[in-house]
Amino acid sequence: GDSVTQMEGPVTLSEEAFLTINCTYTATGYPSLFWYVQYPGEGLQLLLKATKADDKGSNKGFEATYRKETTSFHLEKGSVQVSDSAVYFCALRPGGYNKLIFGAGTRLAVHP
Amino acid sequence: SQTIHQWPATLVQPVGSPLSLECTVEGTSNPNLYWYRQAAGRGLQLLFYSVGIGQISSEVPQNLSASRPQDRQFILSSKKLLLSDSGFYLCAWSGLGTGGNEQFFGPGTRLTVL
Repeated sequence: GDSVTQMEGPVTLSEEAFLTINCTYTATGYPSLFWYVQYPGEGLQLLLKATKADDKGSNKGFEATYRKETTSFHLEKGSVQVSDSAVYFCALRPGGYNKLIFGAGTRLAVHP
Repeated sequence: SQTIHQWPATLVQPVGSPLSLECTVEGTSNPNLYWYRQAAGRGLQLLFYSVGIGQISSEVPQNLSASRPQDRQFILSSKKLLLSDSGFYLCAWSGLGTGGNEQFFGPGTRLTVL
């Protein structure tokens, strides 16, 4: 079945470091891909999305490119801030379905 | 604009007691509605989803149930809570106006069963 695999955390970085959180997926057809962020004690917020191959989603300095050839949607940011500390979830929506399938989440901790 | 509400925000219940969590959406019509559970340090597990009033699909067998008595109201219930029901419960909605059919999440309810 369809699934999402994320790198295990926690990821600990110093402020202004470069961030990569890996995400790969297994899906039939043409899924849409998403990154959500969850700040402590809160619900999930959509961070960015891509709906077809080679699309690049971007928001708040974060980027991810939908790579069909490698079935990946890695999240990147050039310079992280302390305020980026949160749990990041990669998710896919199988084509033709309304359900989202989430990865296990990756906790990011950024220190000053 | 659309907003999604959940209550209560936190809840502590004894084992064997009943449960009712409520979710309401404003600013949209005929949304798809979802209940997720997030166990401590874990990812999200889809519990139920609904595409319309009275239409509920269950994703996992459990002692929880869901109902949709009104278009924008989604209720998660249990007759007798188990310790394993503890977690963070998130309601979400999606609809025609959400582009790539992304889901938008409520603030969540943290449930502790003692």
